[in-house]
Amino acid sequence: AQSVAQPEDQVNVAEGNPLTVKCTYSVSGNPYLFWYVQYPNRGLQFLLKYITGDNLVKGSYGFEAEFNKSQTSFHLKKPSALVSDSALYFCASYNTDKLIFGTGTRLQVFP
Amino acid sequence: NAGVTQTPKFRVLKTGQSMTLLCAQDMNHEYMYWYRQDPGMGLRLIHYSVGEGTTAKGEVPDGYNVSRLKKQNFLLGLESAAPSQTSVYFCASSFLAGGNEQYFGPGTRLTVT
Repeated sequence: AQSVAQPEDQVNVAEGNPLTVKCTYSVSGNPYLFWYVQYPNRGLQFLLKYITGDNLVKGSYGFEAEFNKSQTSFHLKKPSALVSDSALYFCASYNTDKLIFGTGTRLQVFP
Repeated sequence: NAGVTQTPKFRVLKTGQSMTLLCAQDMNHEYMYWYRQDPGMGLRLIHYSVGEGTTAKGEVPDGYNVSRLKKQNFLLGLESAAPSQTSVYFCASSFLAGGNEQYFGPGTRLTVT
């Protein structure tokens, strides 16, 4: 069965430091992968996606993600974290008309 | 352009009561989805629709029904609410499936006592 795993419930990082939020996937065929962000009491917002092509995908708010086929990973990264990046982040993969979401990782950026 | 809107924003029900959640989108999207979000569980798909007049079951469809009579609206019904249906419900839409991102509404917080 297709699945997406986010191994960390929470990631803590100091403002100005680089951040990584991890995601691994298990899909058949070529994966379509997505990252979404959820701020408190809000719906999910699309950040970026990988469909095909360049393994480094750039998205909104300075975020990027690296697709690694050999490690079946799609980690979200940002070179310099902001306090305003604190939120809940979801990785997802596409599977026949719908998205399969991971359980989410809470990112806390401390001043 | 309002995007995806959900009505109501909050609701408290007693066990056994019924209610309907309304989702509306003004982006002419074909696909629409209903999810529930529970702590530690991520988002789980309840039902979805690939076009007007169509519906399909998702991961957790039991206890819910849906209808898509108009392309812009997707209704989620609870016929006899149970405490296990206490959750935050999100509607989403996308132009097509595949590589197209989904746009989410602001959510409905439902408590069943």
